[in-house]
Amino acid sequence: GESVGLHLPTLSVQEGDNSIINCAYSNSASDYFIWYKQESGKGPQFIIDIRSNMDKRQGQRVTVLLNKTVKHLSLQIAATQPGDSAVYFCAENSGGSNYKLTFGKGTLLTVNP
Amino acid sequence: GAVVSQHPSWVICKSGTSVKIECRSLDFQATTMFWYRQFPKQSLMLMATSNEGSKATYEQGVEKDKFLINHASLTLSTLTVTSAHPEDSSFYICSARALWRGNTIYFGEGSWLTVV
Repeated sequence: GESVGLHLPTLSVQEGDNSIINCAYSNSASDYFIWYKQESGKGPQFIIDIRSNMDKRQGQRVTVLLNKTVKHLSLQIAATQPGDSAVYFCAENSGGSNYKLTFGKGTLLTVNP
Repeated sequence: GAVVSQHPSWVICKSGTSVKIECRSLDFQATTMFWYRQFPKQSLMLMATSNEGSKATYEQGVEKDKFLINHASLTLSTLTVTSAHPEDSSFYICSARALWRGNTIYFGEGSWLTVV
């Protein structure tokens, strides 16, 4: 079946560097994508979302890029800080108007001081 | 900002007993809430979609008689794990859809269930 997946299970960066976390999706009908951050033992925290009629959206230190041609989603974190260390999940709306989300496997981001 | 609260944060229960987990949207009304289950170092697995005033829609493989979901008001959904067994021990997370914020989905902090 169709699913959302991640290219890299782990990513280690130095503090101050930029981080890029990638995600591939296969459901061409998906129209809404979200990035979540999950710290150990906590629930997912909304970071940024993007709809399929856009290819880029920026937030505070984060940018999400959507390439519908190759069905690819990425999260860029600028000037990565130790507090950014967490597991990052991409999710797609697979439930149409009900917004039922399908989650990718997650990428563990470790920021080294 | 929008806040979703879960209670309890963690609970330990004996095998064979039932335990209820609450999910509340604190500053918005949520006609739709979702319940997920997450095992260590794994992704979130959707269990069911909870719609206010109607029966929950369960994902394939999830026992509706074991995981009872009630969504009696626009701000509260509950998940009851009935006749709990050690294999039900997990991290349970709810989320709520905020219509007023472009359908953004916000998650609760999760509830750790340990069945002994």
